[in-house]
Amino acid sequence: NAGVTQTPKFQVLKTGQSMTLQCAQDMNHEYMSWYRQDPGMGLRLIHYSVGAGITDQGEVPNGYNVSRSTTEDFPLRLLSAAPSQTSVYFCASTWDLSTDTQYFGPGTRLTVL
Amino acid sequence: QQQVKQSPQSLIVQKGGISIINCAYENTAFDYFPWYQQFPGKGPALLIAIRPDVSEKKEGRFTISFNKSAKQFSLHIMDSQPGDSATYFCAARNTGNQFYFGTGTSLTVIP
Repeated sequence: NAGVTQTPKFQVLKTGQSMTLQCAQDMNHEYMSWYRQDPGMGLRLIHYSVGAGITDQGEVPNGYNVSRSTTEDFPLRLLSAAPSQTSVYFCASTWDLSTDTQYFGPGTRLTVL
Repeated sequence: QQQVKQSPQSLIVQKGGISIINCAYENTAFDYFPWYQQFPGKGPALLIAIRPDVSEKKEGRFTISFNKSAKQFSLHIMDSQPGDSATYFCAARNTGNQFYFGTGTSLTVIP
């Protein structure tokens, strides 16, 4: 199993550009989520999904969109990048939140100029 | 507003010593409290977790102590080793399946 994979590892954008951060898992996990990690802030939940076709907002959803068309993939879209979105983004997945741990991907470091 | 407050921000411990990291929360709807370990350039990885009906959980050198009435929980690393040097995050999950993380503690274990 590859676990949770994220692409790209690094990305530089200009203000106003759009892009999609990719996340995939091969563990048949139902629950997937996106976090951003900023210095001194810990990890903050952006969006999450409890299964294909179902998504919901987390703590900091503004400026981000998600969709979940398959169990395996959970892309995160930045519609119009802003410098405040400079961060490290982590995708995570788990089979069952009540019994299992979340497995995190290696992260995407995004810089918005 | 930080839902889970973590301290200290950084910690330096001698090899063989005990590392203690503390977290506090206010939301009584939290029902699961994991600790994550993160090495530079990597994603967080689950270290140990506890539910509020248990006051202590031990796995090897790592112990979580949980005080439900005080709404506090802590991670104790016994016999700390240089390989334990990492950033540690506490977290809490609410009944809506959302996780809230502490701000992290950078642990350095000196040989």
